[in-house]
Amino acid sequence: QKEVEQDPGPLSVPEGAIVSLNCTYSNSAFQYFMWYRQYSRKGPELLMYTYSSGNKEDGRFTAQVDKSSKYISLFIRDSQPSDSATYLCAMRDRDDKIIFGKGTRLHILP
Amino acid sequence: NAGVTQTPKFRILKIGQSMTLQCTQDMNHNYMYWYRQDPGMGLKLIYYSVGAGITDKGEVPNGYNVSRSTTEDFPLRLELAAPSQTSVYFCASGTANQPQHFGDGTRLSIL
Repeated sequence: QKEVEQDPGPLSVPEGAIVSLNCTYSNSAFQYFMWYRQYSRKGPELLMYTYSSGNKEDGRFTAQVDKSSKYISLFIRDSQPSDSATYLCAMRDRDDKIIFGKGTRLHILP
Repeated sequence: NAGVTQTPKFRILKIGQSMTLQCTQDMNHNYMYWYRQDPGMGLKLIYYSVGAGITDKGEVPNGYNVSRSTTEDFPLRLELAAPSQTSVYFCASGTANQPQHFGDGTRLSIL
């Protein structure tokens, strides 16, 4: 089983819809969870960073962590065409090793 | 504020050639990283540094070398280019151990 699993998509949703992006992981040592957004031919940018189980909100974005299920999610409310990008989850363990998911390609349809 | 700057943006190398990918940041970040990203894959850590004079291997360090003589600069050296090193290379920096700011990448082809 891979340490971090992320559906590559593509995921297409209409403008204004709520988007749900997910990752599962197998390593219970992961303690820190990140979401990055990557536009085509650009470097990733850090969107959300969270440590504990539960929800963290920042504008239209909500990051959710369920450590008991080893499952993390990123929700995007009121999705916009400008949200079309690849979204990568990443996780860090106690030894500071960071593992990235392969990314999910998201298309917001106008 | 330039953030993280990578040069060159594109490069084609012949097998066996060597080159240095440059990375500089102007945010006074202690942590710097080099990743490679292959099509449809996530980021793989090559090397990282927690401060000037300190470097450590990541997941895929073979065929690469780094140095960190200043806080600002973190060059990546390919000594004997191989086709397997064709990839997009990203440099990143941060204040704690999660990469916060990435450059726009260097697209490298080895032929």
